Amino acid sequence: DAKTTQPTSMDCAEGRAANLPCNHSTISGNEYVYWYRQIHSQGPQYIIHGLKNNETNEMASLIITEDRKSSTLILPHATLRDTAVYYCIVRSYFGNEKLTFGTGTRLTIIP
Amino acid sequence: NAGVMQNPRHLVRRRGQEARLRCSPMKGHSHVYWYRQLPEEGLKFMVYLQKENIIDESGMPKERFSAEFPKEGPSILRIQQVVRGDSAAYFCASSPPRWASYNEQFFGPGTRLTVL
Repeated sequence: DAKTTQPTSMDCAEGRAANLPCNHSTISGNEYVYWYRQIHSQGPQYIIHGLKNNETNEMASLIITEDRKSSTLILPHATLRDTAVYYCIVRSYFGNEKLTFGTGTRLTIIP
Repeated sequence: NAGVMQNPRHLVRRRGQEARLRCSPMKGHSHVYWYRQLPEEGLKFMVYLQKENIIDESGMPKERFSAEFPKEGPSILRIQQVVRGDSAAYFCASSPPRWASYNEQFFGPGTRLTVL
């Protein structure tokens, strides 16, 4: 699986949009971008995934650049409960392979 | 539809004892994954199982650790002769069969193992 690079930490004011970047310059054609988060010491929570088109669900939006070498996860109106470590993971969709977690971005929402 | 269930949530063992961690996947899911998170570290893949088969055990320590996912019942992660370095949070995840319309992994709440 391709390697991803994320900032170690970020702060965001409550109520603002949180934009979390991820670089995955070695992504291959059949690999998707997945985002998970881990709140405190809970189990990781699936957020969203995409291939090349922008995706949106009830939790977040995912913007993938045209060359697919980077992406941004957007939490439109961050709340204190969004404080967590966010992981960007590249993985082949066709199969049920393991998830390879990096160090992620520790997002802190500031009141 | 209940999520992934793990028990016990907390487990305390003395060095040399055995630890058995159980994971019940989401209904309809036939794939189970175990991950370990050492204190202040990231999540590391251990093993991937389908019913009665180990598919990928590349992350399992060579000794003392074993996993199974029997035809009936939960998946079991077994650690024999535990040592202090086994103290960690162990997370189980499950995903549906390959023919399903989605293949995301959903995680359980974890079992926190403390070895005294």
